[in-house]
Amino acid sequence: RKEVEQDPGPFNVPEGATVAFNCTYSNSASQSFFWYRQDCRKEPKLLMSVYSSGNEDGRFTAQLNRASQYISLLIRDSKLSDSATYLCVVSSPSSNTGKLIFGQGTTLQVKP
Amino acid sequence: DAGVIQSPRHEVTEMGQEVTLRCKPISGHNSLFWYRQTMMRGLELLIYFNNNVPIDDSGMPEDRFSAKMPNASFSTLKIQPSEPRDSAVYFCASRSPGQTQYFGPGTRLTVL
Repeated sequence: RKEVEQDPGPFNVPEGATVAFNCTYSNSASQSFFWYRQDCRKEPKLLMSVYSSGNEDGRFTAQLNRASQYISLLIRDSKLSDSATYLCVVSSPSSNTGKLIFGQGTTLQVKP
Repeated sequence: DAGVIQSPRHEVTEMGQEVTLRCKPISGHNSLFWYRQTMMRGLELLIYFNNNVPIDDSGMPEDRFSAKMPNASFSTLKIQPSEPRDSAVYFCASRSPGQTQYFGPGTRLTVL
């Protein structure tokens, strides 16, 4: 079983749609959680951290369910520019140097 | 403010040749990570350094791969001899304590 699992998609949605991505992680001792965004042929970039109480950044909402070991990302009013691959990322609990474990990514295509 | 710098950005070489990839982390960051990304395997951590010391090289695929960090502002990843299956995008990332990782633009390696 992979340490971080995501549905690879692709998710094809029209502009303005709301889309949600889910992710599960295997190690209950993980402490930090993130969503990264990766555009085609570019490097991954931090989109947002995920906090236990849930957090919002504009059109993006991230939620964490520690009991179910489940992370989600909700994008409202999707834009063409949201088309990218979204990586679910979990910190390794065995390290204090910031080692991260990346999911395979979920691809989003927003269509006009 | 310069981000993580990697060179070369693209490398095409023939099987059996030595390849050296270079990385300059963000100034002040004390952890450095080398990743490999392929379509099949996603983003894989190869090795990471903390304060220039290798902490975990369990992701290095085999003895053909080696990495060094002679000082806080420079690291290399070397493949000798290279093989076609080493073709991938190699990312370097750095981080300071309490922050997440910032990625360089990557080196796209093709081994013929």
